[in-house]
Amino acid sequence: AQSVTQPDIHITVSEGASLELRCNYSYGATPYLFWYVQSPGQGLQLLLKYFSGDTLVQGIKGFEAEFKRSQSSFNLRKPSVHWSDAAEYFCAVLYNNDMRFGAGTRLTVKP
Amino acid sequence: GAVVSQHPSWVICKSGTSVKIECRSLDFQATTMFWYRQFPKQSLMLMATSNEGSKATYEQGVEKDKFLINHASLTLSTLTVTSAHPEDSSFYICSARVEIDGYGYTFGSGTRLTVV
Repeated sequence: AQSVTQPDIHITVSEGASLELRCNYSYGATPYLFWYVQSPGQGLQLLLKYFSGDTLVQGIKGFEAEFKRSQSSFNLRKPSVHWSDAAEYFCAVLYNNDMRFGAGTRLTVKP
Repeated sequence: GAVVSQHPSWVICKSGTSVKIECRSLDFQATTMFWYRQFPKQSLMLMATSNEGSKATYEQGVEKDKFLINHASLTLSTLTVTSAHPEDSSFYICSARVEIDGYGYTFGSGTRLTVV
């Protein structure tokens, strides 16, 4: 079945530490891939997206993501986390005009 | 560019009443809009897809008579929760598909509905 999986429900990192949020997908072909961030009570803000080409994608707020076809993964990374990055992060795939979201990963940033 | 305005941000209503949520595309025309529901600490679940000038397509398990969707113009889609019950309390988010720099979906800021 087609699915988007974010294995980590909750991650806690110290401010200044590096971050990696995992996302795996299960689709017959490579879908369009997205990462969104959601602050409490807010809508979703697009961090970055991948359609084709360079597998390392740069986004806003210092985030990047790498598409790995062999692993069906699109992990989100940031070299140094800021306290303001604490939020919920969603991986999403767009396939045949149908966008589906992963369960989300809640990021907590320790001082 | 590609801003979607969703209103109201929050609403409290009594059981049995109806509530309308509006989603407007401010600087582009949205032929297709999507309505999602999000339970606390959970992901977004697609409820329905609305296309301007035609009937909405509902996901399996979504009651079309309870969640009325209207997309009468290229800039406005509305979701009306009819005869609301406490179990309808949730966070509702709309989005529109935009074709700027490739495919993208832009999201409204969401509506917190509380039914008392």
